[in-house]
Amino acid sequence: ILNVEQSPQSLHVQEGDSTNFTCSFPSSNFYALHWYRWETAKSPEALFVMTLNGDEKKKGRISATLNTKEGYSYLYIKGSQPEDSATYLCAFIDDYKLSFGAGTTVTVRA
Amino acid sequence: NAGVTQTPKFQVLKTGQSMTLQCAQDMNHEYMSWYRQDPGMGLRLIHYSVGAGITDQGEVPNGYNVSRSTTEDFPLRLLSAAPSQTSVYFCASTPQGPGELFFGEGSRLTVL
Repeated sequence: ILNVEQSPQSLHVQEGDSTNFTCSFPSSNFYALHWYRWETAKSPEALFVMTLNGDEKKKGRISATLNTKEGYSYLYIKGSQPEDSATYLCAFIDDYKLSFGAGTTVTVRA
Repeated sequence: NAGVTQTPKFQVLKTGQSMTLQCAQDMNHEYMSWYRQDPGMGLRLIHYSVGAGITDQGEVPNGYNVSRSTTEDFPLRLLSAAPSQTSVYFCASTPQGPGELFFGEGSRLTVL
């Protein structure tokens, strides 16, 4: 069982503000890290697959960075909108197995 | 394009009963997997398969069996349901494992 931690567990953001949160994972034997967005009453949807140290990925107002040497990834949301309200999951890949963090739940206040 | 289809969406069982959660995908994905989601614990891997005829255990395999006789189907069997198996179950697939996962809509199971 791999220890994948996400912090904070939840956060509340005012519409228009930017925010970021963290995924920590084992720094040895890195293969890949996934980020997923999970809206209430829906299924998780992939945001990013990150494989290289220093990777930076962007999709619209959401971006992610990766530091495999120190074992962390940041997810950034720029100019938060109510539709960004969701739980964001990261998953560490080890030998065909995914270990998910418990998620960061983002609530954007209009 | 149906994607990943799970059935049933809801099920109530009594302790000791058996049942099968069905998962089918029409994307010709080699890798399929089952997760359970419990409050505060995120998604935990139960079993996975890298192709037809090949299955392996995940983090929480006890009490569950799987088989992969075809590329399309990956059923999850509960042999003797226990209240601890009350959870929401997700099936997910990807072309080759493990890349970006495509999830089914989930199956909510309650064991009384």
